[in-house]
Amino acid sequence: GQNIDQPTEMTATEGAIVQINCTYQTSGFNGLFWYQQHAGEAPTFLSYNVLDGLEEKGRFSSFLSRSKGYSYLLLKELQMKDSASYLCAVRDKGHNTNAGKSTFGDGTTLTVKP
Amino acid sequence: KAGVTQTPRYLIKTRGQQVTLSCSPISGHRSVSWYQQTPGQGLQFLFEYFSETQRNKGNFPGRFSGRQFSNSRSEMNVSTLELGDSALYLCASCPGQGHMNTEAFFGQGTRLTVV
Repeated sequence: GQNIDQPTEMTATEGAIVQINCTYQTSGFNGLFWYQQHAGEAPTFLSYNVLDGLEEKGRFSSFLSRSKGYSYLLLKELQMKDSASYLCAVRDKGHNTNAGKSTFGDGTTLTVKP
Repeated sequence: KAGVTQTPRYLIKTRGQQVTLSCSPISGHRSVSWYQQTPGQGLQFLFEYFSETQRNKGNFPGRFSGRQFSNSRSEMNVSTLELGDSALYLCASCPGQGHMNTEAFFGQGTRLTVV
């Protein structure tokens, strides 16, 4: 199974940079995802990492180290609209090669202040 | 291209009743996963379907079941509802088989309240 840890809450200032960490323990690894979820809305996909290293997509970047069971999501030039919950999810290999169950962390609630 | 559609959006049921929730994935997507989201437990995986077959199942009791039709639409059913089943039920749609997908597209969810 999977065990995923991420901070419960973080606060940052508009225009700043914030890093949200995620650590995981897994019996099988087949990719790590980050999702953003605004209050009362559905999660929306941000990034996917399956190999070690940094994936950059505009103001958002995600890093993965498989050997350390560690990932982070980096948000640059923070905007008020970035206030949301950020979910880290790890997919395992499943019980057969045709499946991959994703386990989500409890999410990090980010509050961006003026 | 239409997104993932879940119906109904809101539902109130009484303890002991059963409920059926529906999810229509993005056109062309063949994989549907279901999640339960509660403030205390976060997002919990229920099951995943691909080509009308359940590929993976989370740690939920047998009261929770689902199925997928030939057009990829999926339903989940909860029987003998309990107060603790009150939650947001999210459906996620993906193009291919579980282990090959690089992102999931979530519907707006069905907010179930059990009284």
